[in-house]
Amino acid sequence: EAGVAQSPRYKIIEKRQSVAFWCNPISGHATLYWYQQILGQGPKLLIQFQNNGVVDDSQLPKDRFSAERLKGVDSTLKIQPAKLEDSAVYLCASSLDMVGGAYEQYFGPGTRLTVT
Amino acid sequence: AQSVTQLGSHVSVSEGALVLLRCNYSSSVPPYLFWYVQYPNQGLQLLLKYTSAATLVKGINGFEAEFKKSETSFHLTKPSAHMSDAAEYFCAVSGGSQGNLIFGKGTKLSVKP
Repeated sequence: EAGVAQSPRYKIIEKRQSVAFWCNPISGHATLYWYQQILGQGPKLLIQFQNNGVVDDSQLPKDRFSAERLKGVDSTLKIQPAKLEDSAVYLCASSLDMVGGAYEQYFGPGTRLTVT
Repeated sequence: AQSVTQLGSHVSVSEGALVLLRCNYSSSVPPYLFWYVQYPNQGLQLLLKYTSAATLVKGINGFEAEFKKSETSFHLTKPSAHMSDAAEYFCAVSGGSQGNLIFGKGTKLSVKP
């Protein structure tokens, strides 16, 4: 089966510019996650969707970050305006479901964002 | 609240030697525990997971981990390291009904010839 797809793979922008990332999860997966991975750290959850509804966005900086999941399939994550500290790898993951927390999450290759 | 502590940000072993990567967790509910591996410029790949069945869990590529509730540990081991095992390894815990993962900071494994 096809894995989680993400684009672009790399992006360089100047601070105060805007940027958007796209994610296509594995077909049939109800749950979609966006993680931020800063260099030298483990991934940190930004937002979690169940179908097209938000389950958890408690760690999403809502003054500059936004995300949506169109029709419960693809998802986009946007940053506007970007700050230097947003430089990180943004990982998208999907799982069949979320109930009980035991479902394996499948990760995409990530988008490496550099803000200058 | 759940948390994960990985002891040692960098571990170096010789090819053929035992690999031991340490992970301790904190969870107020029975946890699900995971080990992921990340190769350079790639996403995370699941090595193995503990979901309250057998305490000794076998994963891919010859890795295994043992869940020890009394020590709140889930250390990852491999009897004999291979050059291709060089990567970063992340331990993660999921204890909530929403299934989100809490990751440790990662351990970078280097394998010397």
